[in-house]
Amino acid sequence: AQKITQTQPGMFVQEKEAVTLDCTYDTSDPSYGLFWYKQPSSGEMIFLIYQGSYDQQNATEGRYSLNFQKARKSANLVISASQLGDSAMYFCARGGSARQLTFGSGTQLTVLP
Amino acid sequence: EAGVAQSPRYKIIEKRQSVAFWCNPISGHATLYWYQQILGQGPKLLIQFQNNGVVDDSQLPKDRFSAERLKGVDSTLKIQPAKLEDSAVYLCASSPVKNNAGELFFGEGSRLTVL
Repeated sequence: AQKITQTQPGMFVQEKEAVTLDCTYDTSDPSYGLFWYKQPSSGEMIFLIYQGSYDQQNATEGRYSLNFQKARKSANLVISASQLGDSAMYFCARGGSARQLTFGSGTQLTVLP
Repeated sequence: EAGVAQSPRYKIIEKRQSVAFWCNPISGHATLYWYQQILGQGPKLLIQFQNNGVVDDSQLPKDRFSAERLKGVDSTLKIQPAKLEDSAVYLCASSPVKNNAGELFFGEGSRLTVL
């Protein structure tokens, strides 16, 4: 199986600090996409950011940026200036030619005041 | 634009009973997915529809799970008979065909507890 690995079950960060959530992936698709979703305690999955495998630059969306290292097969999420509302589960996912997403096991982020 | 609608939000049943979940995708979205999310894990794909046809149901436990998407819009996921290990959140998602990013839009989920 082509896995998505998130090695940090839980992370803590101080409010206003930056935090990096790790993600590594396997794939045999020549073209693929990497996604990060946020899941608050209410349960909905909220799309945060996308990186295409052929994109030359790392993706950014507001306070979110994706540190994409293709050779290492890693796609880490960086959240700058953390806010209390960022406390949630964060999932890394990979999409490919089948137009499906395969998810990692998630990282529980807690932002401390 | 209305999001993906799911019902019921919560369901408690005893093992060996049956349950059905309903999903209404975003208008115009041709692709519909059902994911199972067990507590503490990431979502796992159960079935993918394109319009009213099944694209992938390789991970659907077909001895007890069934899903349909009549008329290519709404979808129903059924479990019969339920087992304890089916306790999970069932997430429905949709995506337009011409979606450059491949982003999925999720509903709020249906939480199933099997006693």
